[in-house]
Amino acid sequence: EADIYQTPRYLVIGTGKKITLECSQTMGHDKMYWYQQDPGMELHLIHYSYGVNSTEKGDLSSESTVSRIRTEHFPLTLESARPSHTSQYLCASSVAYEQYFGPGTRLTVT
Amino acid sequence: QKEVEQNSGPLSVPEGAIASLNCTYSDRVSQSFFWYRQYSGKSPELIMSIYSNGDKEDGRFTAQLNKASQYVSLLIRDSQPSDSATYLCAVNSNSGYALNFGKGTSLLVTP
Repeated sequence: EADIYQTPRYLVIGTGKKITLECSQTMGHDKMYWYQQDPGMELHLIHYSYGVNSTEKGDLSSESTVSRIRTEHFPLTLESARPSHTSQYLCASSVAYEQYFGPGTRLTVT
Repeated sequence: QKEVEQNSGPLSVPEGAIASLNCTYSDRVSQSFFWYRQYSGKSPELIMSIYSNGDKEDGRFTAQLNKASQYVSLLIRDSQPSDSATYLCAVNSNSGYALNFGKGTSLLVTP
């Protein structure tokens, strides 16, 4: 079982604010991922990283950005939050293909 | 055609019965297949992985893979109400280590 943490778990914030969603894992996994999931809907990959200083955009266009300065840490930043960003954000990590998910951050932008 | 297809359900089975969940995929060269369970409001939890044709059993769960027909299934024996969740099928993509996820099948086990 992977140890992967996300903070905050819940966030309600006003339009225009800058936010950073934190994701950390203690398993030493070199691959990390961010997904967006609306209630009852499918997972959409928005960013991934296969190692330090390596990040790529996923299939779903996103206004967020990510960084990977340390292996264990993969934060996601929204420079200016909008109501359309309201969703659940899930972080995952893997050694190969088996991905393990964190508990998620439920973001509400008012 | 979506890369991973699942019937969205809901699939309703009585307690104690076998639940059968199916998934088809489009990329013939896919080699890695996974089943995740997701309770409402929670994150996906990996429950099974399968890489070779045939069956793989783990407790009450059996994953079945048929690469020639491009389908993978999950059987849950002696279904319990606690098994009620959405089950996501995932298949490795043709680029890197990303996975393609299906939309999931909602399973309801009734007492």
